Amino acid sequence: AQSVTQLDSQVPVFEEAPVELRCNYSSSVSVYLFWYVQYPNQGLQLLLKYLSGSTLVKGINGFEAEFNKSQTSFHLRKPSVHISDTAEYFCAVLPPGGADGLTFGKGTHLIIQP
Amino acid sequence: DGGITQSPKYLFRKEGQNVTLSCEQNLNHDAMYWYRQDPGQGLRLIYYSQIVNDFQKGDIAEGYSVSREKKESFPLTVTSAQKNPTAFYLCASSMSRSYEQYFGPGTRLTVT
Repeated sequence: AQSVTQLDSQVPVFEEAPVELRCNYSSSVSVYLFWYVQYPNQGLQLLLKYLSGSTLVKGINGFEAEFNKSQTSFHLRKPSVHISDTAEYFCAVLPPGGADGLTFGKGTHLIIQP
Repeated sequence: DGGITQSPKYLFRKEGQNVTLSCEQNLNHDAMYWYRQDPGQGLRLIYYSQIVNDFQKGDIAEGYSVSREKKESFPLTVTSAQKNPTAFYLCASSMSRSYEQYFGPGTRLTVT
């Protein structure tokens, strides 16, 4: 079984400042890793994914994440946030095979302050 | 325009009534999923289906039922046996050998 821990339930950041949202996972097997974003009362949109290869993954809207196998982490970063980045961010893992459901963390609410 | 549609966006029911949530996709995806979202809890898997006429229970299947008679459709029924049905329900789909899941806009169910 897999589990995902998002260490911060809420992260307030000033506009144009950098941000890091933390994600750690636990699994007895290799997993694929994802970050999704959810705007209020909407579905989830994929930001980026790590399946294999380079540990630094670039996604949409200027976000990137780095996979660290030894620390079982997949932290999300953005060098300069905008007010429109205010949303809920979810880290998720998927076991090999790909057909089963995602295991999600509880989410981090990113609050951008003007 | 390809995507996943869920209807209705808001649904209200009285306690003790069964209710069915709709999920339709035109992405030609083989796999479909239902998740439940509660505040501060993330998303939890209810059921998933990899092919027509086959589906598997997820982590919180009790009190729910599904069917997969068509590739495009994966309706979820919330039965009266579900003890706390008020939640935001999200449907997703993916290609069978792809790992990216696409999500619908969700249905917010309120049971009183």
